[in-house]
Amino acid sequence: KAGVTQTPRYLIKTRGQQVTLSCSPISGHRSVSWYQQTPGQGLQFLFEYFSETQRNKGNFPGRFSGRQFSNSRSEMNVSTLELGDSALYLCASSLTSANTGELFFGEGSRLTVL
Amino acid sequence: AQTVTQSQPEMSVQEAETVTLSCTYDTSENNYYLFWYKQPPSRQMILVIRQEAYKQQNATENRFSVNFQKAAKSFSLKISDSQLGDTAMYFCAFMGTNAGNNRKLIWGLGTSLAVNP
Repeated sequence: KAGVTQTPRYLIKTRGQQVTLSCSPISGHRSVSWYQQTPGQGLQFLFEYFSETQRNKGNFPGRFSGRQFSNSRSEMNVSTLELGDSALYLCASSLTSANTGELFFGEGSRLTVL
Repeated sequence: AQTVTQSQPEMSVQEAETVTLSCTYDTSENNYYLFWYKQPPSRQMILVIRQEAYKQQNATENRFSVNFQKAAKSFSLKISDSQLGDTAMYFCAFMGTNAGNNRKLIWGLGTSLAVNP
């Protein structure tokens, strides 16, 4: 069974641009969560989607948004990029809900904002 | 607010030896879950071990075991017979149960473990 797939793996953007990251969960998994990982802040929860609905949300500004499609694939979008948005963005899937804490992670999308 | 603290940013151990990674947490909840996740270099994060607070018995997964001290709010990870493949960043995480469907994992900043040959 294929694992969680995130694309692109690496990308470089400039301030003010926007970016869209994609995540394909493990087949059959219905929950997708997104995290931002930085050395100073560690892992910060962005949001969780379940059956195309945002179930939970972290404390990030409205520039960060996401969605989930009927096949459980998810995208997250960051608009008006800032230097501080440079990070590794991790996607994690779980079978039913992230409430179990048992998450399956992708390798991440490393975003650099210049 | 709930917090997770990993006081050892970096550690090293010789192959085949035993190492213990520390984690403390702060919460007012009585029922919760604790986790150790492992993130190898340039590879995906994987769940190592999970502990339910209401279970007194320490969780064990092969060479990985925990020492869960609920009163002290301590949750350390012991790796026995360390192998080169154990080299990774280890994250301790907490999840309370009071928030219902709005539960979130609260993460420590991680401990970078190097296993030396």
